[in-house]
Amino acid sequence: AQTVTQSQPEMSVQEAETVTLSCTYDTSENNYYLFWYKQPPSRQMILVIRQEAYKQQNATENRFSVNFQKAAKSFSLKISDSQLGDTAMYFCAFMKTSGTYKYIFGTGTRLKVLA
Amino acid sequence: GAVVSQHPSWVICKSGTSVKIECRSLDFQATTMFWYRQFPKQSLMLMATSNEGSKATYEQGVEKDKFLINHASLTLSTLTVTSAHPEDSSFYICSASLTAGQGYIQPQHFGDGTRLSIL
Repeated sequence: AQTVTQSQPEMSVQEAETVTLSCTYDTSENNYYLFWYKQPPSRQMILVIRQEAYKQQNATENRFSVNFQKAAKSFSLKISDSQLGDTAMYFCAFMKTSGTYKYIFGTGTRLKVLA
Repeated sequence: GAVVSQHPSWVICKSGTSVKIECRSLDFQATTMFWYRQFPKQSLMLMATSNEGSKATYEQGVEKDKFLINHASLTLSTLTVTSAHPEDSSFYICSASLTAGQGYIQPQHFGDGTRLSIL
């Protein structure tokens, strides 16, 4: 069975600084997808970034980028130039490319951006 | 694009009543819809997976008769909490996804959630 671990329950960062959230996972699958979702206080789940396991290149979306290390089963999220609006819970999610396509979520990291 | 609408956003009702929550994909046809439950300051817990026209697949520990899921069309799934009790109070979130052929898998798109309070 797959598991996703987020070892940082809470983090804080100064506005405009850079922060990295960690995520590790365990799987025997070779093909899969990884996602980072953001859940602000409004509780809406917002897709931040996605990574296909077969792609070696790390995904980037504006200020957000990932460091995907397939052999180490690590998928960290880097947020550059942090903004107050980045304050939220961040969830890492794993999805197989077969079967039901359901997500396995990590326990989340609460990020607070300080003014 | 890829908007998922969930209704109602907040419901308060008396113990013993049944509550229906709707999840609609507004601009795409959802092959699969998922229902989650989230307790305060915790992660999302998958309750069930539903595919249009077939019975939902429930996760271990989720009561099928308590949480009725219907996926009647490619754009609508409903979750009915039957004979709700205070312990059913929680935040319920749906998501929808479309898998368009092998090799292309869309991420799940989430509704805004429903806060259910049972008195």
